[in-house]
Amino acid sequence: QKEVEQDPGPLSVPEGAIVSLNCTYSNSAFQYFMWYRQYSRKGPELLMYTYSSGNKEDGRFTAQVDKSSKYISLFIRDSQPSDSATYLCAMTNTDKLIFGTGTRLQVFP
Amino acid sequence: GAVVSQHPSRVICKSGTSVKIECRSLDFQATTMFWYRQFPKQSLMLMATSNEGSKATYEQGVEKDKFLINHASLTLSTLTVTSAHPEDSSFYICSARGGTRELFFGEGSRLTVL
Repeated sequence: QKEVEQDPGPLSVPEGAIVSLNCTYSNSAFQYFMWYRQYSRKGPELLMYTYSSGNKEDGRFTAQVDKSSKYISLFIRDSQPSDSATYLCAMTNTDKLIFGTGTRLQVFP
Repeated sequence: GAVVSQHPSRVICKSGTSVKIECRSLDFQATTMFWYRQFPKQSLMLMATSNEGSKATYEQGVEKDKFLINHASLTLSTLTVTSAHPEDSSFYICSARGGTRELFFGEGSRLTVL
């Protein structure tokens, strides 16, 4: 079993839709949870960063962590075509980040 | 936000040659830099961790003699792929961390070995 599982997609939604991206993990020691966005042929950029359980909101993005279920989510409200990218979850309890495989999101006009 | 610059962004080389990729932190001092490799449709896999002034720590299965990492200053780390082969063709990404836990990624370097 992989330490971090993420549905690769692609996930295709119309502009304005609410998008839900998810990851599950097996290591209960993970404390730091991140979401990265990666455009084609580019390096990942950090979107959201949460420590332990709870919710965090930043503009149209909301990150949720449920440590009891070992489940994290990223919600994107009012999705835009410019949100089309691959979204990677990552987590750690040390310096070594463990990444999900990424979910490819396509938002069509 | 902090900027990490990676160069070159694309490189094509012949099999058997060596290629050097640079990773620079432009506006902060990176005490730790990480090198990742990403194959198509796969996740980023950590190759090695380098701390300024000391030897890199390689992940299991990564050949240290093939992937030479140097972190000579607080703003520069280099990855040299020695005697490159077609199976080394990949997207190599560096990241850097300063005083906080936040990681900043370079744009990546796409290596194609013919």
